[in-house]
Amino acid sequence: GQQLNQSPQSMFIQEGEDVSMNCTSSSIFNTWLWYKQDPGEGPVLLIALYKAGELTSNGRLTAQFGITRKDSFLNISASIPSDVGIYFCAGPVIQGAQKLVFGQGTRLTINP
Amino acid sequence: ETGVTQSPTHLIKTRGQQVTLRCSSQSGHNTVSWYQQALGQGPQFIFQYYREEENGRGNFPPRFSGLQFPNYSSELNVNALELDDSALYLCASSRGQGEFPEAFFGQGTRLTVV
Repeated sequence: GQQLNQSPQSMFIQEGEDVSMNCTSSSIFNTWLWYKQDPGEGPVLLIALYKAGELTSNGRLTAQFGITRKDSFLNISASIPSDVGIYFCAGPVIQGAQKLVFGQGTRLTINP
Repeated sequence: ETGVTQSPTHLIKTRGQQVTLRCSSQSGHNTVSWYQQALGQGPQFIFQYYREEENGRGNFPPRFSGLQFPNYSSELNVNALELDDSALYLCASSRGQGEFPEAFFGQGTRLTVV
């Protein structure tokens, strides 16, 4: 089945630094979604990307839909303590239902 | 606009028991999906309900079953619980099929099987 690979698996940064993470797939996706999950909570949708090459921002977050449609990138500028959490990429796959396939997540830790 | 709500938030069950988890979808959303998230992993698709019928299932055994009601709320039932069923169970609602892939998640139900 389709799998999404996220890197890095974890990041330890200083407050104020910029963050970059990516997500790759062996298959083409028509939509890329980025979620953030805090401990004990459900994932929250951050950004949705619908078109190859698209660059979309949400505050300090910027995500890009790769030209090959097999990858996506998420950048966070000037990180703050509330950015701590696990970031997941996800893409829709139609197998009967339209389900989401998730990467394994990138865990972000910020040192104050 | 109310978001996705799940109940209960935490649950402890004994191996072999049965459990029912509940989910109210976001207003305006007619599709509900259930996901299982093991510790340290991404969510895994269990099944999806649309118009009160299951319209897709992931790699989960038949002891995982569900319902969707006319108001689009949903239940996940798990029979004959096993220790490996311990996980965060997430409900997600979305606006429909194909055109709107974005799913919005509830806070989850943490199930512990002992």
